[in-house]
Amino acid sequence: EVQLVESGGGLVKPGGSLRLSCAVSGFSVRSYSIHWVRQAPGKGLEWVSCISGTSSYIYYADSVKGRFTISKDSAKNSVFLQMDGLRVEDSALYYCTRDERGYTSGRLYYYNGMDVWGQGTTVTVSS
Amino acid sequence: QSALTQPASVSGSPGQSITISCTGTSSDVDGYKYVSWYQQHPGKAPKLIIYDVSQRPSGVSNRFSGSKSDNTASLTISGLQAEDETDYYCNSYTSNNTWVFGGGTKLTVL
Repeated sequence: EVQLVESGGGLVKPGGSLRLSCAVSGFSVRSYSIHWVRQAPGKGLEWVSCISGTSSYIYYADSVKGRFTISKDSAKNSVFLQMDGLRVEDSALYYCTRDERGYTSGRLYYYNGMDVWGQGTTVTVSS
Repeated sequence: QSALTQPASVSGSPGQSITISCTGTSSDVDGYKYVSWYQQHPGKAPKLIIYDVSQRPSGVSNRFSGSKSDNTASLTISGLQAEDETDYYCNSYTSNNTWVFGGGTKLTVL
């Protein structure tokens, strides 16, 4: 069964750090890209970051660039989101989700959408 | 990275059709075919219902369809059913190699 399971959320003070994990089963993180998407309580979805299957392509939303770092451990079939310098506005439910895409000459040439999602892990930043 | 623009709410009666718009710019919706739509029921993770502007994943009802014209993408739901009442989000790839979601639309089935 294809599954993504997030963990690592919790309560942290402003300026603190957390490391989220996304454990994958039923497919390899080498073959799919993984995104982190967050949703503040009662608000809409916000894209945060993604890492391609080969780790060659890593991107961040402006709102987290320089503070968050995405990485993967292919041996553990897991993807991580290191969150430093946390702010109150980073409080949200964080989902990981996968997509299947292809690049040619550094350009995206196919993308099949975020087709499988985890259930999310909650991050609360508060003093 | 401004969010794509969606109407906050739309409504329709059972059996009718509704359309949700998603307006972006030449840097996202108008520049790429990588527009997708997600359905999210309360307390649940989003579900992919349309990708590549108009493609339906396996298992998604053919009552859902997508299209795009210039900088505006649209999701049409035909034959509205009570179970369609929930939130819908559009998403697009951008020229910065990032992704951006719309603000979300709440669909009410009257």
